[in-house]
Amino acid sequence: EIVLTQSPGTLSLSPGERATLSCRASQSVSSSYLAWYQQRPGQPPRLLIYITSRRATGIPDRFSGSGSGTDFTLTISRLEPEDSAVYYCQHYGSSPLAFGQGTKVEIK
Amino acid sequence: QVQLVESGGGVVQPGRSLRLSCAASGFTFSNEGMHWVRQAPGKGLEWVALIRYDGSNKYYKDSVKGRFTISRDNSKNTLYLQMDSLRAEDTAVYYCTRENGGAHLVTDVWGQGTLVTVSS
Repeated sequence: EIVLTQSPGTLSLSPGERATLSCRASQSVSSSYLAWYQQRPGQPPRLLIYITSRRATGIPDRFSGSGSGTDFTLTISRLEPEDSAVYYCQHYGSSPLAFGQGTKVEIK
Repeated sequence: QVQLVESGGGVVQPGRSLRLSCAASGFTFSNEGMHWVRQAPGKGLEWVALIRYDGSNKYYKDSVKGRFTISRDNSKNTLYLQMDSLRAEDTAVYYCTRENGGAHLVTDVWGQGTLVTVSS
């Protein structure tokens, strides 16, 4: 069973800054099955990135994903106030689905 | 548009049962696998169960095996989660989400969730 570990736990940045979120897998995973979600308070998760780097429909291009093997990254190039949320990485395509514990992004 | 709507949550005593439903619309429900994922208050996302598109195979988180049953009615475009012998640690918002077979099985659509509270 794959375990995903995200870091940092919390990121506090100002609007316009760059956010870099990390996701490390306990074993090598196919880049075809790594996704990132955004979850705002009181809302369901929203798919941002899948297949490691492909943006979901309607996701702005300031969100980008990269990585391979056991190390994956979500980058938000220019933070906006509405980016304040918890971000989860996920391994999908088999059971169980695996989720990281989340990184909270706070906008100063 | 593609939509999932959960219902059936509520407050229930430990040891009792509850059945959740998830109504799907805007896509061919019978073509896609479906998951239940839960989120305890203030916690992260936790996978609960998966059912294949035709109901032929079902998979469960270890801690719910033997207590929860996932099922679907493709004629009604509805997914279910029968939860028996509920425990306090089952308290969570329960989301249904679809696997998109055309996109590497990514869980791309999520319902708004339904809250289950297990308390005496």
